[in-house]
Amino acid sequence: GQQVMQIPQYQHVQEGEDFTTYCNSSTTLSNIQWYKQRPGGHPVFLIQLVKSGEVKKQKRLTFQFGEAKKNSSLHITATQTTDVGTYFCAGLDNFNKFYFGSGTKLNVKP
Amino acid sequence: GAGVSQSPSNKVTEKGKDVELRCDPISGHTALYWYRQRLGQGLEFLIYFQGNSAPDKSGLPSDRFSAERTGESVSTLTIQRTQQEDSAVYLCASSLAGVGVGDTQYFGPGTRLTVL
Repeated sequence: GQQVMQIPQYQHVQEGEDFTTYCNSSTTLSNIQWYKQRPGGHPVFLIQLVKSGEVKKQKRLTFQFGEAKKNSSLHITATQTTDVGTYFCAGLDNFNKFYFGSGTKLNVKP
Repeated sequence: GAGVSQSPSNKVTEKGKDVELRCDPISGHTALYWYRQRLGQGLEFLIYFQGNSAPDKSGLPSDRFSAERTGESVSTLTIQRTQQEDSAVYLCASSLAGVGVGDTQYFGPGTRLTVL
């Protein structure tokens, strides 16, 4: 069945280092969304990517959607302690079902 | 209301008891989702309501789980004969237009269920 795999599961970085999380789907996605969940909080929407090869930026965050619309990445440049949390991707397949990745837990050491 | 609300925020119950979890979506949002999140894990889809359409129940883990939604408002997730493996945070989310347009989901704070 459809799966959305996300790697890595955990990432520990020193403040100022970059961070990337990857999301891979077994089938083509209609779109992909990214969410951030702070420790003890609930997921909060970050962005949605729809087009093949799309790249969007939000300050230090860069989101990419692969050409085949089967993978996506979130890159954070020069991490800060406020970036701590778990980042989830959520892919919408062609049958209108959402599949969340298992999340990447980011820890930033000051 | 400003966002999605859920109640109770915490629920501790004994194995074998039934529980009801409530979700109040953002007013005007036609779509409502329930997810389960075990400690340190990702989001597990449970059920999806869209307007007056039949709900998508494909994520419900067993027949002990059921959910209802009154029109485009409140939803209740019921777990019968709770088991210890049901312990998790149950998250509700709503969106304006529904999954067909990949609409943004706004999450509630969740209900933390502990089954002793």
